[in-house]
Amino acid sequence: GAGVSQSPSNKVTEKGKDVELRCDPISGHTALYWYRQSLGQGLEFLIYFQGNSAPDKSGLPSDRFSAERTGGSVSTLTIQRTQQEDSAVYLCASSTTYLGQRKGSGANVLTFGAGSRLTVL
Amino acid sequence: AQKVTQAQTEISVVEKEDVTLDCVYETRDTTYYLFWYKQPPSGELVFLIRRNSFDEQNEISGRYSWNFQKSTSSFNFTITASQVVDSAVYFCALSGPYNTDKLIFGTGTRLQVFP
Repeated sequence: GAGVSQSPSNKVTEKGKDVELRCDPISGHTALYWYRQSLGQGLEFLIYFQGNSAPDKSGLPSDRFSAERTGGSVSTLTIQRTQQEDSAVYLCASSTTYLGQRKGSGANVLTFGAGSRLTVL
Repeated sequence: AQKVTQAQTEISVVEKEDVTLDCVYETRDTTYYLFWYKQPPSGELVFLIRRNSFDEQNEISGRYSWNFQKSTSSFNFTITASQVVDSAVYFCALSGPYNTDKLIFGTGTRLQVFP
C-alpha cells in the first residue's frame, strides 16, 4: 500500500481480555517495528522484524506481549490478559533495509502508521 | 547505553516567532545517526531529517534548520517564523551504526503556535 496501515485505530477492552493489533507495512519494506506511546512518554521500542524473524524483541514488557510477522508483510501484535497499564497508542513503522546486518549505514528512515489506540478499562 | 533527552516538555509561541527545540543525546558509538520526527494532531509521525555523526554541517530546509554540535552532544531544531501548522509534538531520535539498530526516541516536545 501507499503507507503503513494499522487496525483497529481504536480499541476499548476490558481488563483480562486478549487483543490483537494489526500492521500492514509499505509493500517491499523488509523491516518492521512496533513502538508504544504512553501519555507523556516518548516512543518505547517493543520489537523489530527483519523479514519474518525478530532479531530484537528486547522491548516487549512482559510475556503477555507477543508479535509475529508472516510472508514478510503483515504483522500482528498480541497482548494477552490486558492490564490497565497497557493502555497506550501502539505505533507500527516500516523501512527498507538490507537483509542481514550492515555496519555504517545506520537505521533507515521509518515510515509510521497512524497507530492503534488501546484503552483497557 | 543510548539516551535522548528533550528537556522541554511544552513550548508555546505566537505566530512568526522563532523557536528552538533542544535535543541532547548520549551514546558510546563513534558512528551514530540522529533524527527528528514531527507528530501532528493526526498522530502519524512524519520524518524531518536524518544526520550521521560525521556530518556536523548545519542543515537548512525552508523555515527549518538543525544545529548539530558533537562537543555538546546536541542536535537542536529551529523553526523560523513559526506558523500555526507547525503545532505538533516533535521527537528527536538516535540510532547506532547498524542498519538493524532501532531508533531511541526522546520524550518529545509539544509545540503550540498561536495565531
